[in-house]
Amino acid sequence: KAGVTQTPRYLIKTRGQQVTLSCSPISGHRSVSWYQQTPGQGLQFLFEYFSETQRNKGNFPGRFSGRQFSNSRSEMNVSTLELGDSALYLCASSYGGSGGANEQFFGPGTRLTVL
Amino acid sequence: AQTVTQSQPEMSVQEAETVTLSCTYDTSESDYYLFWYKQPPSRQMILVIRQEAYKQQNATENRFSVNFQKAAKSFSLKISDSQLGDAAMYFCAYRSFNQAGTALIFGKGTTLSVSS
Repeated sequence: KAGVTQTPRYLIKTRGQQVTLSCSPISGHRSVSWYQQTPGQGLQFLFEYFSETQRNKGNFPGRFSGRQFSNSRSEMNVSTLELGDSALYLCASSYGGSGGANEQFFGPGTRLTVL
Repeated sequence: AQTVTQSQPEMSVQEAETVTLSCTYDTSESDYYLFWYKQPPSRQMILVIRQEAYKQQNATENRFSVNFQKAAKSFSLKISDSQLGDAAMYFCAYRSFNQAGTALIFGKGTTLSVSS
């Protein structure tokens, strides 16, 4: 079974631009979660999508948004990039149903650098 | 709100020896899940072990085991017979049992180095 894939793996943008990151979950998984990893703040939860609906949201400004498609693939968008948005963005997928540990499988991440 | 604390930013161990990574958490919930994730230099997060709070028995996975102390809100990871491939950053994570969704709350991580 193919794992979670994220594209692109590396991205360089300048302040004020916007960026879209993509995540393809494991086949059969309906939940996709996004996390931001920085040296200072560690791993922080951005949001989760389940069956095309945002089910949970972390404490991030509205510049961070996402969506999920009918094939469970997800995108996250960051508008008006700031230097502090430089981070590794990780995507994780799981079956997402209620109950159970719902083990999350992580992708390799997208390294975003904002200049 | 729940929090997860890993008080050891860095740890080191010799090959074949045993090392214990500490994790404490704060929650008012009675049911939850706890996880240890490994993130090697390749950055791919891998689940090492998980513990359901309602289970009293400590989880084990081969050379990895946990010491889960629910009353003390402590969840340490013991790595036995350490190998060079164990070198990585280790994250402790919490997930609510009752929440809708799968959001994980992570600690800041412990970097484990293994020497031969």
